[in-house]
Amino acid sequence: SAVISQKPSRDICQRGTSLTIQCQVDSQVTMMFWYRQQPGQSLTLIATANQGSEATYESGFVIDKFPISRPNLTFSTLTVSNMSPEDSSIYLCSVVRGWQEAFFGQGTRLTVV
Amino acid sequence: AQKITQTQPGMFVQEKEAVTLDCTYDTSDPSYGLFWYKQPSSGEMIFLIYQGSYDQQNATEGRYSLNFQKARKSANLVISASQLGDSAMYFCAMNSGGSNYKLTFGKGTLLTVNP
Repeated sequence: SAVISQKPSRDICQRGTSLTIQCQVDSQVTMMFWYRQQPGQSLTLIATANQGSEATYESGFVIDKFPISRPNLTFSTLTVSNMSPEDSSIYLCSVVRGWQEAFFGQGTRLTVV
Repeated sequence: AQKITQTQPGMFVQEKEAVTLDCTYDTSDPSYGLFWYKQPSSGEMIFLIYQGSYDQQNATEGRYSLNFQKARKSANLVISASQLGDSAMYFCAMNSGGSNYKLTFGKGTLLTVNP
């Protein structure tokens, strides 16, 4: 399995501010993804983090709200911009190495007040 | 498009008994992977078990086994000898080459293990 370090593990933020979440993997991985889990819900894919190029966003998610960087094959960041209480969720990074390896970071529990 | 259906919002089981969590899926891709994850109250997603669409045998990992019935498009998780620490949300998910390995999740099943 891959060792994935996601920071911060939790945060409480004021509305209108931004938070950047980091995801560090212990080895190079092909695919990295960012998911959101709203309270009481399942996981929804935000975007695919592409190394050296712009992320690929899913329907309903835009770069201005969720800018993503992936400067190399082991690191990515997700920023939640101009936050509102509706952004309160768990945010999770995921890495894929081949078909059968899909692992997650510990998650970031975000509360916006 | 891929779809995962988990029809059991909640399940209860007595400690030391076995429990089956249901999962059905739908995809047009001939090659796909099926996953089960455990999410305790801490929020982390813990990988439990994987089944490939071409795997001939059901996957097993310790107390976890996956009852894969391809014709029925079902991938049920069986937990044997339940423990109190098994109480958590359980998610079934799938990916495929056609989806660029993105995972599609079901709504989850909340398992409660009673002493």
